[in-house]
Parts: sequence; structure tokens; C-alpha cells
Amino acid sequence: DTGVSQDPRHKITKRGQNVTFRCDPISEHNRLYWYRQTLGQGPEFLTYFQNEAQLEKSRLLSDRFSAERPKGSFSTLEIQRTEQGDSAMYLCASSLASIGTSSTDTQYFGPGTRLTVL
Amino acid sequence: AQSVTQLDSHVSVSEGTPVLLRCNYSSSYSPSLFWYVQHPNKGLQLLLKYTSAATLVKGINGFEAEFKKSETSFHLTKPSAHMSDAAEYFCVVSGPSSGGSYIPTFGRGTSLIVHP
Repeated sequence: DTGVSQDPRHKITKRGQNVTFRCDPISEHNRLYWYRQTLGQGPEFLTYFQNEAQLEKSRLLSDRFSAERPKGSFSTLEIQRTEQGDSAMYLCASSLASIGTSSTDTQYFGPGTRLTVL
Repeated sequence: AQSVTQLDSHVSVSEGTPVLLRCNYSSSYSPSLFWYVQHPNKGLQLLLKYTSAATLVKGINGFEAEFKKSETSFHLTKPSAHMSDAAEYFCVVSGPSSGGSYIPTFGRGTSLIVHP
């Protein structure tokens, strides 16, 4: 299976600790997205990359959050000084986009990383 | 600015009966619209998408949706529900953000319950 993978699938941490999640997109996909999903809600956009460039960040993404995609392949999402409100499912998606077609991109989602902050 | 409203948080049907999941959207531009399905412990999967071609869009597993601009709606339907259709369904609108990128906005989801 060469779909989107995320690691770890579950993470439990104590408040104040730093955590890092990894996403491996489908290999030929040039776009990579991060979302956060809380119980009873739809996914909320956090940020996305076109190759290695981070092109947009949501206002939801506080200074404690940082994402990288150093070589245009896998991506990491780090949360510093975690808070209980950070508890959520963090989803990664990838797509193959051409200029001018990004509105119709089909995004392929990974299984998510469930974060619990105690 | 864009938004999407899924009018029902839960829809309950009997197996073999029609399914209707309602979605209304708001967008300053001609949007692209999508329906995704999320089965328990599985990733989100695209059911279908509207990209300004045909207003009636057919998707996987017998689902289809009709784009109605005058009603700003994109309701999802299926003639006959199967037990395997039980899942969470998300309506998504994608339009340009202030930064110029197309950012998807998800609805809150509709939980489809299928009774034997």
C-alpha cells in the first residue's frame, strides 16, 4: 500500500512537553496538508506545502506549532509546550496539483495521529 | 470567505431505503465542492467532487450529488443504503483564501446510521 502514512498513530504526553508527528505522502504528490480534527467536528486546515515551500498557514496555527517539509517529501509537525486544548486528531493529506488546478485537487488522507495531552 | 453547513448531525435510515445528506455552502467565488467519507478508524476518502462541469456528479459506491447554485446546495444522495455506508460524511467547499491559495473548509459532518 503506497498511501499516506502517519507516525505515530497515537501519542500521549504531559502538558508542557514537546511532540513531533511525521507524515509521509504519496511519493509523487507535490502538495502536503496538515489538519486538526476534534471530536464532533470536521477537519480544520492548519497549513500546506507545495514541494518544500510552506505556502499558507491558518490563524489556528499558534507560535507553538511549526511544520517543515525539508526535501519536499515527508513532513513533520511539531507542537511545543503542549496544552490540553491541543488534544485532537492530526491529519495529513497529499495531492498532485498543477498550477491553476488546486481548487479541484483530490486530497488523499492518512489515518491520523491522535494526540492526548494530560 | 467561505463556509459550509451540514444541516443534519445524524441521519438514520433503514437498509435499502434512500439516503439524503444535506449540505449548503457559502462562497464569494465559484467554488469547488467535495464529499468525503470517514469510516471508523480509517482515513478520509473522497466520494465525489464538483468542479464546474456537470451539475450532477456521480461518485463511488453509488453516491451522487447535485450542485444547485440558486440554492447554494450540494446534497448527497444514494438510492439504496447498505450497512457498509454507515460512516461520517463531510461536505467540503474549496475557494481562494486571502493569500490566494485554495483552502478547503469542512463541514461538521453528518453521521449516517443504517439499520438492518
